[in-house]
Amino acid sequence: AQTVTQSQPEMSVQEAETVTLSCTYDTSESDYYLFWYKQPPSRQMILVIRQEAYKQQNATENRFSVNFQKAAKSFSLKISDSQLGDAAMYFCAYRSARNTDKLIFGTGTRLQVFP
Amino acid sequence: DTGVSQDPRHKITKRGQNVTFRCDPISEHNRLYWYRQTLGQGPEFLTYFQNEAQLEKSRLLSDRFSAERPKGSFSTLEIQRTEQGDSAMYLCASSPTGAHSNQPQHFGDGTRLSIL
Repeated sequence: AQTVTQSQPEMSVQEAETVTLSCTYDTSESDYYLFWYKQPPSRQMILVIRQEAYKQQNATENRFSVNFQKAAKSFSLKISDSQLGDAAMYFCAYRSARNTDKLIFGTGTRLQVFP
Repeated sequence: DTGVSQDPRHKITKRGQNVTFRCDPISEHNRLYWYRQTLGQGPEFLTYFQNEAQLEKSRLLSDRFSAERPKGSFSTLEIQRTEQGDSAMYLCASSPTGAHSNQPQHFGDGTRLSIL
């Protein structure tokens, strides 16, 4: 069975600085998708960025980028130029590319942003 | 695109009562998912539908839980004889298509269930 591990329960960063959130996963599959979702307090979960496992190039969305290391089964999220609005829970998620559509989530990292 | 809508936002009930939650997906999305999230944890998959067909159920979905999507549009999740351990946030998500695709799931605000 696939698992997702986020080893950092909490992280903090100063406004305008850069922070990296870690995620590792375990799978025997070769084809899958990885996602980072953001969940602000009492608000809905929104997609931050996604990565297809067959793509070697790391995904980038504005200030958000990932470091995808397939052999190491690592998928970290880098947030550049952090803003107060980035404060939230961040969840890493895995989805198989075959047989099932369910997302498997990590336990999350709470990111605090200080002015 | 009005987003995924869930009702109610909060539900407080006594142990042993039955509860039903509703989810309205984004209109053109044919896949609908239910997840459960307890405090300090990531969401856990419960079940999902393609149109009206229930394609997968987690073993977390005990006999007291039932989900339906009768016309392939909105879905309901019913919990019978609620227990303390059912207290959680119940999240619904939808996506336009799922098979072998990177289409992301769009989440609703969730229904928070509290069992007294």
